[in-house]
Amino acid sequence: GQQLNQSPQSMFIQEGEDVSMNCTSSSIFNTWLWYKQEPGEGPVLLIALYKAGELTSNGRLTAQFGITRKDSFLNISASIPSDVGIYFCAGQVGTYKYIFGTGTRLKVLA
Amino acid sequence: DAGVIQSPRHEVTEMGQEVTLRCKPISGHNSLFWYRQTMMRGLELLIYFNNNVPIDDSGMPEDRFSAKMPNASFSTLKIQPSEPRDSAVYFCASTRNTAGNTIYFGEGSWLTVV
Repeated sequence: GQQLNQSPQSMFIQEGEDVSMNCTSSSIFNTWLWYKQEPGEGPVLLIALYKAGELTSNGRLTAQFGITRKDSFLNISASIPSDVGIYFCAGQVGTYKYIFGTGTRLKVLA
Repeated sequence: DAGVIQSPRHEVTEMGQEVTLRCKPISGHNSLFWYRQTMMRGLELLIYFNNNVPIDDSGMPEDRFSAKMPNASFSTLKIQPSEPRDSAVYFCASTRNTAGNTIYFGEGSWLTVV
């Protein structure tokens, strides 16, 4: 079946550093979504990407929809302690279905 | 606007008991999804509905799991009988079925089967 490979699996970084994570697949997706999940909560939408090549920012977050439609990356600039959490990518297949990546666990050391 | 509302937030039950998880999607959203999250398998899509009709239930693990959506504002996921390996967080999510739609999650139901 379709899979999303998300990397890295986990990251430990110093406060102030930039972070980069990505998702790749052998399948083509219509939409890419990036979510953050904090302990005890559901995933919360960060950025949505709708067109190949699209680059979108949300504060310190920037994400891009790959030209091939098979990949996407998320960058976080100048990380702060509250960036801690699990970041998920999700790709939309067909009209209704969303496939999620395995997540990147981010820890920020003050 | 209210988000996706799930209940119960936490449930501990004994093996063999029936478990019913409930979801109220965001008003106006016509697609609803049930996901299961575990450390080992991440977020797995169990089933999704469009306009109250089940579209794809291929992710439902076995016959012990069933889901219904009797109307646009309510869905249930039932496990009968429950087993310890069903312990997980179950998320409901919804979206408006239009171009450029994004999916919004509830806070999850944390199930422990002992």
